[in-house]
Amino acid sequence: RKEVEQDPGPFNVPEGATVAFNCTYSNSASQSFFWYRQDCRKEPKLLMSVYSSGNEDGRFTAQLNRASQYISLLIRDSKLSDSATYLCVVTYTGNQFYFGTGTSLTVIP
Amino acid sequence: EAQVTQNPRYLITVTGKKLTVTCSQNMNHEYMSWYRQDPGLGLRQIYYSMNVEVTDKGDVPEGYKVSRKEKRNFPLILESPSPNQTSLYFCASSSRTSGRAIVDNEQFFGPGTRLTVL
Repeated sequence: RKEVEQDPGPFNVPEGATVAFNCTYSNSASQSFFWYRQDCRKEPKLLMSVYSSGNEDGRFTAQLNRASQYISLLIRDSKLSDSATYLCVVTYTGNQFYFGTGTSLTVIP
Repeated sequence: EAQVTQNPRYLITVTGKKLTVTCSQNMNHEYMSWYRQDPGLGLRQIYYSMNVEVTDKGDVPEGYKVSRKEKRNFPLILESPSPNQTSLYFCASSSRTSGRAIVDNEQFFGPGTRLTVL
């Protein structure tokens, strides 16, 4: 069983749409949670950390549900520049990072 | 400029010919890590290092070696590459910050090395 699972998509949405991604994780002893963005097989870059209380950064909102073991990312008012693959990342106390396979988003004009 | 560099960026080699992919960071980070990325499997951790002379296996260490003799460098060694090691490889680094463990913090990735083993 994979540590972190994501729907690979692709998600094709029009500009201005709201889109949400979910990610589930298998180990309840997880420590930290992140969303990374990866463009066209380039290096992943941190989009945002995910905190227990939920957090927002402009058009992006991340939420954590420990009871159900999932995290989510909501993107409002999608821009063409949001087209990318979004990677869910979970860490445990063992100093390892576990990545999901990524969800592909294409924003269409 | 704060960065993680990898060399080479592209490499085509043949089965069994030893190779080394270098990784260097200029941010004085304690933690460094190697990943491979394959379609449908995502990024998988190969090895990681918490500090100089401290290395640990990740999820897919078979066929790879690493060393951490200096804080800034973390080379990945393939002693006898095989075609199933054809992949996109990323090096990353991270640091501890006040009140937060290394795994609570952002990882900074190098640009990637695309390796093909024939």
